[in-house]
Amino acid sequence: NAGVTQTPKFQVLKTGQSMTLQCAQDMNHEYMSWYRQDPGMGLRLIHYSVGAGITDQGEVPNGYNVSRSTTEDFPLRLLSAAPSQTSVYFCASSRGGSLYNEQFFGPGTRLTVL
Amino acid sequence: TQLLEQSPQFLSIQEGENLTVYCNSSSVFSSLQWYRQEPGEGPVLLVTVVTGGEVKKLKRLTFQFGDARKDSSLHITAAQPGDTGLYLCAGLLGGATNKLIFGTGTLLAVQP
Repeated sequence: NAGVTQTPKFQVLKTGQSMTLQCAQDMNHEYMSWYRQDPGMGLRLIHYSVGAGITDQGEVPNGYNVSRSTTEDFPLRLLSAAPSQTSVYFCASSRGGSLYNEQFFGPGTRLTVL
Repeated sequence: TQLLEQSPQFLSIQEGENLTVYCNSSSVFSSLQWYRQEPGEGPVLLVTVVTGGEVKKLKRLTFQFGDARKDSSLHITAAQPGDTGLYLCAGLLGGATNKLIFGTGTLLAVQP
């Protein structure tokens, strides 16, 4: 099993450009989430999904879109990148439905917006 | 608004010392998890506590969930350089949301 994979690992964008961060998992997990990590802020939830076709907003959803057409994939789209979106982005998946759910994280995407 | 505050934010200690990291909130959580993250990697789960007052031990690490399920602590005995990393608490909000909210993080450096 590859677990949770994310691409790209690094990305530099100019303000106003768009891009999609890819996330895939091969554990047949129902729950998937996107977080951003900034110094001193821990991890903040952007969007999450409890199953294919179902998505919802997290703590900091503005400027980001998601969709979940399959169980395996959960891409994160930046429509018009801003310098405030410079961060490290983590995708995570979990089985869901239990208080003991373990979140499995991908290796992260380091994004810089100039 | 950050629901979970961790303290201290940074901690640098010598090998063999003891330390405690705190995770505090005004919200009640269904369960609380602790993760450790190493540079360039995603967080990895250490433990989950569910019941108010629950204590779990993982070798030299002791985790406690507050009686009211609003706070938690992580105590490390005789810290080792291998304990170095970012420690994150995460609370599971119950009800319809079922969202996991992470704390602000504690960066621990253990010097040999």
